[in-house]
Amino acid sequence: TQLLEQSPQFLSIQEGENLTVYCNSSSVFSSLQWYRQEPGEGPVLLVTVVTGGEVKKLKRLTFQFGDARKDSSLHITAAQPGDTGLYLCAGAHYGGSQGNLIFGKGTKLSVKP
Amino acid sequence: KAGVTQTPRYLIKTRGQQVTLSCSPISGHRSVSWYQQTPGQGLQFLFEYFSETQRNKGNFPGRFSGRQFSNSRSEMNVSTLELGDSALYLCASSLEGYSTDTQYFGPGTRLTVL
Repeated sequence: TQLLEQSPQFLSIQEGENLTVYCNSSSVFSSLQWYRQEPGEGPVLLVTVVTGGEVKKLKRLTFQFGDARKDSSLHITAAQPGDTGLYLCAGAHYGGSQGNLIFGKGTKLSVKP
Repeated sequence: KAGVTQTPRYLIKTRGQQVTLSCSPISGHRSVSWYQQTPGQGLQFLFEYFSETQRNKGNFPGRFSGRQFSNSRSEMNVSTLELGDSALYLCASSLEGYSTDTQYFGPGTRLTVL
């Protein structure tokens, strides 16, 4: 069974702090997606990383795909209360369907003003 | 472009009853996937429909079923509800349903089974 382990499960920080969320697997994925889910809403895709070693930036968010395409990280600089939410990673295999996406259980982030 | 809509948003049922949830995908999207989200298990894939055919199925009992209509709208049905079926049910649509397609999620239906 392929698993994506996310850590930490919960994170509570003050506004302005930096944080990193990790997504690890023993399996190789062709791409990895990161989502943010706010209370009462469905997940929203933030980014997809497809190349080993790839780094993508989205304003204060930096996403990295591991060289071996088994792990990924999300780093947030100077967190703001608007960053609060559940962050999910999902691994995909090339040529697979949506049913083959493997989701992690998520990291619940709370940023206090 | 309107997003994915799900109805109803909240539902309370009792054990043994059945329930039908509805999902309207983004216009032009032909793939609809359903997920169950619980705090303990996270997001788990139920099934995916494409062109009115079930193309993929997750590891859920036969009490969970679905269908897709010619306009790509989809419904899922849960029969003989159990307490453990309490969850947020999410549907997501994408153009063709490939794992590399961007999925757009609806806001979910919160089902509570008493």
